Amino acid sequence: ETGVTQTPRHLVMGMTNKKSLKCEQHLGHNAMYWYKQSAKKPLELMFVYSLEERVENNSVPSRFSPECPNSSHLFLHLHTLQPEDSALYLCASSRREFTEAFFGQGTRLTVV
Amino acid sequence: KQEVTQIPAALSVPEGENLVLNCSFTDSAIYNLQWFRQDPGKGLTSLLLIQSSQREQTSGRLNASLDKSSGRSTLYIAASQPGDSATYLCAVTSNTGNQFYFGTGTSLTVIP
Repeated sequence: ETGVTQTPRHLVMGMTNKKSLKCEQHLGHNAMYWYKQSAKKPLELMFVYSLEERVENNSVPSRFSPECPNSSHLFLHLHTLQPEDSALYLCASSRREFTEAFFGQGTRLTVV
Repeated sequence: KQEVTQIPAALSVPEGENLVLNCSFTDSAIYNLQWFRQDPGKGLTSLLLIQSSQREQTSGRLNASLDKSSGRSTLYIAASQPGDSATYLCAVTSNTGNQFYFGTGTSLTVIP
């Protein structure tokens, strides 16, 4: 148990669906991240929030929409995804930006 | 842009053997380096964090070293066990602190 909890653990969605991924951390950290992990590729940073403000957005398609309502919660809203968006989506948190990171268990997303 | 390489991509050893995993990075201007473990389909578990001013860190049977000038880190695992089987990832943070750069990992199998 890392103190970072992601739900759901698995998600299958059609290309026209709208769904959300949730991340919650109980570590008192100020920075939270979304990463995408595809097979045989390094982790790709998607979004960074520091003190609830987005500080990094790595050219992610607009069909991915993050939300950080407070320093403990992070959401990733999904709509009109493509099959190539199927991947493991990982949430992480750290005390400050890019200090030691703690990851959740991930959400395995399959787009059909 | 920082590039992180981990060689070999896969490693298989008999139980009880000591082993070394390698991580190399192209830009020595790093803030810290972190080693993670990932079990199949799961999130990342932080193993060790080395600050740029440090040379090594130890936790139990694990020892990580850092040579910034040569752009290398090693993770030494003593007396390997089947439970050590997993993918091991390293990540570096740049001095500007705006990104974790991940390698693609080394998949370790410890044979009983």
